[in-house]
Amino acid sequence: GAVVSQHPSRVICKSGTSVKIECRSLDFQATTMFWYRQFPKQSLMLMATSNEGSKATYEQGVEKDKFLINHASLTLSTLTVTSAHPEDSSFYICSARDPASGYNEQFFGPGTRLTVL
Amino acid sequence: GQQVMQIPQYQHVQEGEDFTTYCNSSTTLSNIQWYKQRPGGHPVFLIQLVKSGEVKKQKRLTFQFGEAKKNSSLHITATQTTDVGTYFCAGPGPQSIIQGAQKLVFGQGTRLTINP
Repeated sequence: GAVVSQHPSRVICKSGTSVKIECRSLDFQATTMFWYRQFPKQSLMLMATSNEGSKATYEQGVEKDKFLINHASLTLSTLTVTSAHPEDSSFYICSARDPASGYNEQFFGPGTRLTVL
Repeated sequence: GQQVMQIPQYQHVQEGEDFTTYCNSSTTLSNIQWYKQRPGGHPVFLIQLVKSGEVKKQKRLTFQFGEAKKNSSLHITATQTTDVGTYFCAGPGPQSIIQGAQKLVFGQGTRLTINP
């Protein structure tokens, strides 16, 4: 199946700093990627849909100035958590669809665990 | 808005017992997908159901899609420790004008733990 990578897998930062998370589709091109947030033992919360070459579409209640998304190429989307605070600590996961797949399933990256001190 | 509900939230079984999780949507779905997330891992696609009343099997896993295409279930026969994880159902969200950008609406998931 299609492979999606994420970097870094884990990051610890001080409050007030910005953190960039990369999501790459390794063996397919993804015009759209999705960014989720997951708190411990909870479901996936869609934050935004990242569209190559255009602005991201944010879900209601997600601050676009807080969570900057850039989808500059067909294989890379980045999520930047700006001025991170302890309440931003969470598991961030990206996903993408492989157009060649017979289904419209999403392939998920391994996730990034962010801890803000 | 569209909601996808899943029950139970947690299920603990003895190894060898069966397990079932149920998924209900507030709207009719064109398809439903199931994912498994192992502890500390990321969701992995299991299957997609499309037809009304469809039943699909993957070894000990049986997936059903309701006749009205608003509910679905996943049944595991004779659970094994490798079945531990959280099972999510997901239905397509509102259609997007951007091709391939249709999002998924996930249920809350059912967390399965197993006593060996």
